[in-house]
Amino acid sequence: SQKIEQNSEALNIQEGKTATLTCNYTNYSPAYLQWYRQDPGRGPVFLLLIRENEKEKRKERLKVTFDTTLKQSLFHITASQPADSATYLCALSISGGYNKLIFGAGTRLAVHP
Amino acid sequence: DAEITQSPRHKITETGRQVTLACHQTWNHNNMFWYRQDLGHGLRLIHYSYGVQDTNKGEVSDGYSVSRSNTEDLPLTLESAASSQTSVYFCASSDLQTNTGELFFGEGSRLTVL
Repeated sequence: SQKIEQNSEALNIQEGKTATLTCNYTNYSPAYLQWYRQDPGRGPVFLLLIRENEKEKRKERLKVTFDTTLKQSLFHITASQPADSATYLCALSISGGYNKLIFGAGTRLAVHP
Repeated sequence: DAEITQSPRHKITETGRQVTLACHQTWNHNNMFWYRQDLGHGLRLIHYSYGVQDTNKGEVSDGYSVSRSNTEDLPLTLESAASSQTSVYFCASSDLQTNTGELFFGEGSRLTVL
């Protein structure tokens, strides 16, 4: 069956360091992958999309890589700040419909001053 | 500003009752989705719609129904609420025209079935 894995354990890092979150998947060939941020009690907010033919995408302090051979995406936040503390979700497109996504359970990031 | 709103934000109901969660978006998006989010699980797709009068089942559709009579609204109905349907429900919409495919989410509706 189709499966997405994100680290279930929280990631704790020091302010100013680079946070790296991992998203692994099996039994998929997604056309694109998205990353969302979710704060407690709020809905997810879109951050970045990367397509299957793209290796890397950047937006300000965010960088996403997509390795379709390894079936893995890495999400980096450089120069992290306490305000970056949140849960980050990866989502993969699935066939059978436009904008149909399957989500990972998310990784909680805590950035400490 | 355009937005997507869900109501109620919190609801407690009893097993066997019918419950309807409302979702209203002013983005004029064609695509609308309902997800549920449970601890340890990702967001799981319940139902979705690509336009008026169009509805489709997602991966966890049993016990749920939706209807799309206009562009703005996609209400989610639990026909006979069960304790297993205690969850946080998120509505989302997306624009067919965008090349990012991003979903715009509501703030969620927390449902407790006793």
